[in-house]
Amino acid sequence: DAKTTQPTSMDCAEGRAANLPCNHSTISGNEYVYWYRQIHSQGPQYIIHGLKNNETNEMASLIITEDRKSSTLILPHATLRDTAVYYCIVSYTHGNKLVFGAGTILRVKS
Amino acid sequence: EPEVTQTPSHQVTQMGQEVILRCVPISNHLYFYWYRQILGQKVEFLVSFYNNEISEKSEIFDDQFSVERPDGSNFTLKIRSTKLEDSAMYFCAMGQASSYEQYFGPGTRLTVT
Repeated sequence: DAKTTQPTSMDCAEGRAANLPCNHSTISGNEYVYWYRQIHSQGPQYIIHGLKNNETNEMASLIITEDRKSSTLILPHATLRDTAVYYCIVSYTHGNKLVFGAGTILRVKS
Repeated sequence: EPEVTQTPSHQVTQMGQEVILRCVPISNHLYFYWYRQILGQKVEFLVSFYNNEISEKSEIFDDQFSVERPDGSNFTLKIRSTKLEDSAMYFCAMGQASSYEQYFGPGTRLTVT
């Protein structure tokens, strides 16, 4: 499984966009980039995933660089409830395990 | 978002005892997983289960652990003889064949004394 590198923590002002970077330079051609988050001690929550194209859903946008070696998760209007640990994970398609790293602690402040 | 249910929410047991953690399946979700998270540490993969057999397991998932889903009922994780170091949050997750994401339950907090 390809490894990912994320900043340990980030702060964001409420209402502003939160941009969370992730490096995955060893990603293979058929591995997807997944983003999950974990609020306090709850179960991880799926946010979004992508292969090479940029993706957007109701929660976030995912921007993947052309060489696929890095990506950015964008929360367009962060709220206090978005304070969580955000995990960038590289994995194959369904049926495959998720390998969680330490993630990025995002603190949204009013 | 599909809601995954786990029972119990909290289990306290004595060292050496057997515990069974349960996960209620969601319709059309065929892939099942167990993960655990020791307090303050990363979420760790334990085992994946598909078509009534283990697809993959981690080094953590030794002979003390077993999973089953008898007759399409609850997906269970059994720990035969618990150790102090088994104390953790245990998360069940499920996935569909037609999609890529895994949906996690709220977890069972296992405390071994």
